[in-house]
Amino acid sequence: ETGVTQSPTHLIKTRGQQVTLRCSSQSGHNTVSWYQQALGQGPQFIFQYYREEENGRGNFPPRFSGLQFPNYSSELNVNALELDDSALYLCASSFGGGSTDTQYFGPGTRLTVL
Amino acid sequence: AQSVTQLDSQVPVFEEAPVELRCNYSSSVSVYLFWYVQYPNQGLQLLLKYLSGSTLVKGINGFEAEFNKSQTSFHLRKPSVHISDTAEYFCAVSDRDSNYQLIWGAGTKLIIKP
Repeated sequence: ETGVTQSPTHLIKTRGQQVTLRCSSQSGHNTVSWYQQALGQGPQFIFQYYREEENGRGNFPPRFSGLQFPNYSSELNVNALELDDSALYLCASSFGGGSTDTQYFGPGTRLTVL
Repeated sequence: AQSVTQLDSQVPVFEEAPVELRCNYSSSVSVYLFWYVQYPNQGLQLLLKYLSGSTLVKGINGFEAEFNKSQTSFHLRKPSVHISDTAEYFCAVSDRDSNYQLIWGAGTKLIIKP
């Protein structure tokens, strides 16, 4: 059974650029959630996709957008990067979009914005 | 709005000693409670969760947590720690106010002293 994978592992961008982060969910899972984890803080929920539809969104501006594909992999896109977007971005997959479903996390993508 | 407080940013403890990691949340109406562990350079992994029923929840690796509704707490305990328990531990809560998405604490680093 393949776990959750994320690419790339590290990324350096400059302010104003755009970035796309990718996530492959665990086999059999149909839900992907994205989180931002700033240094020294806990993760913050960005949004969740369930069967290719957005199924909840946290307090992030519209320049954070996402997609989920028919194979349930997912992308997180961030436009007009700001310095504060520097963080570890975590993807988690689960079976079902419910609040009690166990989420399985990938190792994250470390984004640095200069 | 729901919030989660992990009072200790770091907890040093000797190997084979007991440990308690504290977690308090702000709103006690119908919550789901979780503890996750993050080993260095790895993704977050679920240790245990409370959904309903018995207030004492047992998890993996010998950890347990007790849900205390009156004190709005969900402290994590282990009777005897091992060097392999060195990691960062995160408490998370979901409830109706958060649309059942996870609200996370800032984490507690468990440091095992030989």
